[in-house]
Amino acid sequence: AQSVSQHNHHVILSEAASLELGCNYSYGGTVNLFWYVQYPGQHLQLLLKYFSGDPLVKGIKGFEAEFIKSKFSFNLRKPSVQWSDTAEYFCAVRALRGATNKLIFGTGTLLAVQP
Amino acid sequence: DTEVTQTPKHLVMGMTNKKSLKCEQHMGHRAMYWYKQKAKKPPELMFVYSYEKLSINESVPSRFSPECPNSSLLNLHLHALQPEDSALYLCASSQDAGPGTDTQYFGPGTRLTVL
Repeated sequence: AQSVSQHNHHVILSEAASLELGCNYSYGGTVNLFWYVQYPGQHLQLLLKYFSGDPLVKGIKGFEAEFIKSKFSFNLRKPSVQWSDTAEYFCAVRALRGATNKLIFGTGTLLAVQP
Repeated sequence: DTEVTQTPKHLVMGMTNKKSLKCEQHMGHRAMYWYKQKAKKPPELMFVYSYEKLSINESVPSRFSPECPNSSLLNLHLHALQPEDSALYLCASSQDAGPGTDTQYFGPGTRLTVL
């Protein structure tokens, strides 16, 4: 069965620190990969996505992620975080098999940025 | 416009009540989804509708009954719920449900409390 692991459940950083959130998935076939963010009291928003091509993907708000196929990873990065980045971050994988678009979410990483 | 709207924002109901959650999108998407999100957990897929037909039911109890009256609307009818059904119910839509390069857009959710 497909699964998604986010090893960092809770991360605390100071403003201007660099961020890297880990995401690993288990599925041997072709995948589409996503990072979603959920700000406090707000709905899930798409940060970035990888479908094919350049494995380094740039998203909104200065976030980027790198797809490393050999490591089954899709880690999220930001060089310098801001207080407004405080949110929960979910990695999600869609396995391209069968007829339906089914997303599997990781357990989420709660990021707290201290001013 | 990438907006998915959901009503109501909050709902409190007793175990004997019948209520409905509503979701609407005007992006011309042909796939719509219901997810359940418990506190501090990732969203879990409940149902998928593709071209107004139910294509996935993730073994959801029959006290949850989805309905897709047209391509823009998705309802979730609730009856005889249990307190453990209290959660945030999220609706999402995507261009279609087939394998490909589609992205799911999420609504803000309905916070359901079952007393």
